[in-house]
Amino acid sequence: DAKTTQPNSMESNEEEPVHLPCNHSTISGTDYIHWYRQLPSQDPEYVIHGLTSNVNNRMASLAIAEDRKSSTLILHRATLRDAAVYYCILRGKESGGSYIPTFGRGTSLIVHP
Amino acid sequence: ETGVTQTPRHLVMGMTNKKSLKCEQHLGHNAMYWYKQSAKKPLELMFVYSLEERVENNSVPSRFSPECPNSSHLFLHLHTLQPEDSALYLCASSSQSTGLNEKLFFGSGTQLSVL
Repeated sequence: DAKTTQPNSMESNEEEPVHLPCNHSTISGTDYIHWYRQLPSQDPEYVIHGLTSNVNNRMASLAIAEDRKSSTLILHRATLRDAAVYYCILRGKESGGSYIPTFGRGTSLIVHP
Repeated sequence: ETGVTQTPRHLVMGMTNKKSLKCEQHLGHNAMYWYKQSAKKPLELMFVYSLEERVENNSVPSRFSPECPNSSHLFLHLHTLQPEDSALYLCASSSQSTGLNEKLFFGSGTQLSVL
């Protein structure tokens, strides 16, 4: 079972900021929060990840709640190319010490011109 | 180009055929994964190999048989598939290390059609 919950879809206008939420209330202290996205007919690609502090990179920003039970992926200025399914997953050690990366349904982001 | 290569890109097979999907990575990773993505469905994790040992098998039917001969190669052997097995099969790799921030790198997938 996926350990994260995300809205099925969100809409935005081009050039506007987008805030994509993710709930992970069962997160453990050592779980990293990873975000991936999958553009139409493309393979999934890494976007950003974090542990406790907010993170910024050239693609997006990641805001992590103080209790770490939720996070928000921020696209500062959405473009048409950002239309994709965004996945929030937790990376942590499962029993046996291996990483089992399970994806949920993700959020389908629609960007209007 | 992510460094993970899958072949073939497209495959059409009959229900009685036997075929294999291949995945190759030269990123120095020690973990590899098979995912299945059906139309308009989320990614389903099928198998996980860590240090060439299978560590996860998500109740996948036995008509799918994975093989990991070394840390750079991963195969998915297919036999007597059903039409509902038609999907995009994605391979991914990562580094299973003490650092849990290692990201997944995906291949472009094999689009499989079972007739």
